[in-house]
Amino acid sequence: QQQVKQSPQSLIVQKGGISIINCAYENTAFDYFPWYQQFPGKGPALLIAIRPDVSEKKEGRFTISFNKSAKQFSLHIMDSQPGDSATYFCAASIDSGAGSYQLTFGKGTKLSVIP
Amino acid sequence: ETGVTQSPTHLIKTRGQQVTLRCSSQSGHNTVSWYQQALGQGPQFIFQYYREEENGRGNFPPRFSGLQFPNYSSELNVNALELDDSALYLCASTPSGTGFHNEQFFGPGTRLTVL
Repeated sequence: QQQVKQSPQSLIVQKGGISIINCAYENTAFDYFPWYQQFPGKGPALLIAIRPDVSEKKEGRFTISFNKSAKQFSLHIMDSQPGDSATYFCAASIDSGAGSYQLTFGKGTKLSVIP
Repeated sequence: ETGVTQSPTHLIKTRGQQVTLRCSSQSGHNTVSWYQQALGQGPQFIFQYYREEENGRGNFPPRFSGLQFPNYSSELNVNALELDDSALYLCASTPSGTGFHNEQFFGPGTRLTVL
C-alpha cells in the first residue's frame, strides 16, 4: 500500500514565525514530491514541488527540504502570514503505467497563522 | 484561477442510486484525473484519462467509472451509491504534450452526500 504520512494534523503559528510540516514515505519508487495548498471551498493548488535528486528547493517564502535516505521531506513557510492559513497536503507521485502519474496525498495539515 | 470547472457544486443522493459528475478541463489540457476527498482526509486517486482512454486506476471498485470526451471534458459515474461515497470529488487536468509529472490543476470539486 503506497502511503505518505503527514504531521502535524494541525498547526498554530504566530504571524512572522516559521511553519514546518513534515512528511514521510515508504515507496522508494516515488520520484516527484509536490506540496498543495487548499482553502475552504476550493480545490488544492500546487505550491512547490521537488524531485529526489535535489535536497532543497526554495520559492519565495516556501522551502522544501528533502532527505532521500530517511525518506522524509518537509515544507517550511518563512515569515508566516494570516493569508497562509489553509490546509496543506504533501504528495508523492509515481508513474502507474502508460504515462499515468497518480498523486498519493498525505492527510493534510491545517495551518492557522494568528496575528 | 485554474480554469477547471466542475458541476454540480453540491449533490444529495440516497443509497443505491447512481450519480454523474462533470468536469470541464482547462483549455489545452488533454489529461484528466479524478480524486475522492473524504472529510478531513487527503484526496485519493480514482483514475486518469488520456485522449479518451483510461490509463491509470487507483484502488476503487468497478462501480466507479468514467468517460473523457473529444473536447477533453470528463464524467465520473458512480453506481449503487454507498454511504461511504459521501465526499468531495475533485477533477484535475494536466497540460498536453510530453510531460513528466506535469502539474495537475484542480477544480473546486463536487460535494456528494449519500443518505
